Amino acid sequence: DAKTTQPPSMDCAEGRAANLPCNHSTISGNEYVYWYRQIHSQGPQYIIHGLKNNETNEMASLIITEDRKSSTLILPHATLRDTAVYYCIVRSRYSGAGSYQLTFGKGTKLSVIP
Amino acid sequence: EAQVTQNPRYLITVTGKKLTVTCSQNMNHEYMSWYRQDPGLGLRQIYYSMNVEVTDKGDVPEGYKVSRKEKRNFPLILESPSPNQTSLYFCASSFEGRSTEAFFGQGTRLTVV
Repeated sequence: DAKTTQPPSMDCAEGRAANLPCNHSTISGNEYVYWYRQIHSQGPQYIIHGLKNNETNEMASLIITEDRKSSTLILPHATLRDTAVYYCIVRSRYSGAGSYQLTFGKGTKLSVIP
Repeated sequence: EAQVTQNPRYLITVTGKKLTVTCSQNMNHEYMSWYRQDPGLGLRQIYYSMNVEVTDKGDVPEGYKVSRKEKRNFPLILESPSPNQTSLYFCASSFEGRSTEAFFGQGTRLTVV
């Protein structure tokens, strides 16, 4: 699976949009971009994933650049409960041989400030 | 409610005393796995299972055993715990390994003294 690069930390004012970048310049055509978050030692929580089109759900939006080398997770109206470590993960879309693991990097620690 | 349930949530034990951390999911997922999380090292996979009676090692399997006798349960066994297994453990499940979202349990904080 391709490696990802994220800033170690970011701040966001409560009520404002939080834009979390991720670089995945070695992504291949059959790899999805996934986002998870972990709130203070709780189990990681799935947020969203996409292949090449932008995606939106009730939690967030995912914007993937046309060349697919980077993406941005957008939390449209950040709240204090969104303070967490956010992980960007790239994974193959195909099942098959392999460890099936999610490879978590260090992620971005997002602090939402009142 | 769809969930992955781990027990216990907290455990303090002594070196060498066998223990089992249970994991159960109610979503009929085929794929289950165990991770440990340590400061500065992130989440690392211990073992995974693609279906009943099918298990395989992850990145850090030494000192652990698993079994998958039923689809819903995937216990993690420490036959002879050591202090370096003090960690935060997470169980996860998904419908299949790679193309769908994974659901994580709330974690088990284990301390081995």
